[in-house]
Amino acid sequence: GQNIDQPTEMTATEGAIVQINCTYQTSGFNGLFWYQQHAGEAPTFLSYNVLDGLEEKGRFSSFLSRSKGYSYLLLKELQMKDSASYLCAVRGDSGAGSYQLTFGKGTKLSVIP
Amino acid sequence: DSGVTQTPKHLITATGQRVTLRCSPRSGDLSVYWYQQSLDQGLQFLIQYYNGEERAKGNILERFSAQQFPDLHSELNLSSLELGDSALYFCASSVVWGQAINSNQPQHFGDGTRLSIL
Repeated sequence: GQNIDQPTEMTATEGAIVQINCTYQTSGFNGLFWYQQHAGEAPTFLSYNVLDGLEEKGRFSSFLSRSKGYSYLLLKELQMKDSASYLCAVRGDSGAGSYQLTFGKGTKLSVIP
Repeated sequence: DSGVTQTPKHLITATGQRVTLRCSPRSGDLSVYWYQQSLDQGLQFLIQYYNGEERAKGNILERFSAQQFPDLHSELNLSSLELGDSALYFCASSVVWGQAINSNQPQHFGDGTRLSIL
């Protein structure tokens, strides 16, 4: 089975840097995705990691350590519009060769002035 | 705009009723996924279709069913509705159906249907 843990809530200041952690246990790991979801809206894709290391995309970076079952999303130069939930999702083998995404419950980030 | 279209945006109905939610995937995407998101739960995977065929089932109740049509749009049917079925239902689509090893193609989500059971 799959299990994903991430903090429920975080608060950070506008202009600062915040790191959102995600730990996972999964069978047949095949990639980790981060999504951003504003309240009541659709999740939108932020980043993808399948190999160990850091992937950088503008103000957002994501890191993966497969041996530790650990990832983090780093948000730099925080803006008020970054206030949202951040979902960690792991693609693993759900059986019969089918790889599905299992989502964590999300981390609600509040950016304050 | 993700390119995934879901209708209706809101649906209010009573217990015991049946509803149908509709999803049109992004142009070129062959895989469709359905998810349920309630307040205290994360996104829960329900079912996946690829090019008209069911590929994977998640935590989908027997009261729920889905299908994907030749034009690739999909419908999720929810019957004998209960109060606990109130949730946001999302459809997502992707190019590949999940067996592409190390595929970096993400799932793209529609705006969801908010279902309220009274």
